[in-house]
Amino acid sequence: EPEVTQTPSHQVTQMGQEVILRCVPISNHLYFYWYRQILGQKVEFLVSFYNNEISEKSEIFDDQFSVERPDGSNFTLKIRSTKLEDSAMYFCASSGARGAETQYFGPGTRLLVL
Amino acid sequence: LAKTTQPISMDSYEGQEVNITCSHNNIATNDYITWYQQFPSQGPRFIIQGYKTKVTNEVASLFIPADRKSSTLSLPRVSLSDTAVYYCLVGLWSSASKIIFGSGTRLSIRP
Repeated sequence: EPEVTQTPSHQVTQMGQEVILRCVPISNHLYFYWYRQILGQKVEFLVSFYNNEISEKSEIFDDQFSVERPDGSNFTLKIRSTKLEDSAMYFCASSGARGAETQYFGPGTRLLVL
Repeated sequence: LAKTTQPISMDSYEGQEVNITCSHNNIATNDYITWYQQFPSQGPRFIIQGYKTKVTNEVASLFIPADRKSSTLSLPRVSLSDTAVYYCLVGLWSSASKIIFGSGTRLSIRP
């Protein structure tokens, strides 16, 4: 069964550093998403991406965040200058179409900002 | 936003059928109902999705009454490995920002 994969599984960084989280969506999917989940809290939507541009973004997705699909397979989330409160699990998801077709989530990257 | 309400927690035993009900009184005409399962430190895993009546797959069944203001996820013959958090989500993935992951239902299965 096709899967969404994410790398790295864990990342530790110093406050103020840039991090790039990588995702490989399911190969024939066209819509891509990032979510985060702070430890013990709810899964929160960050951004959706289609046709090489952002479709929607939440209030969390401020100027420190950016997304990119640099090639035909990868989808990345960049945090330019990490803050302590960025520590969380970050999940990538993809779907084949909008509307009824569901999202499939990756295993997540655990980001720890010190 | 289609707000959902589901029990915070449920307990059951191996081999039992578990039914988790979710209410979504302000569901919109085009909204779908999707259930996910999440284990600690893992991504949400799709279980089942439906629009109306009953949907069944190899993992679960989803019952949706005619008014669509609630739905029930049914897990047949649960095992210890079904211990997880279960989320009921309502909406269209074309507006993913409006699909809210609530606190979910923490299901604990005992031997």
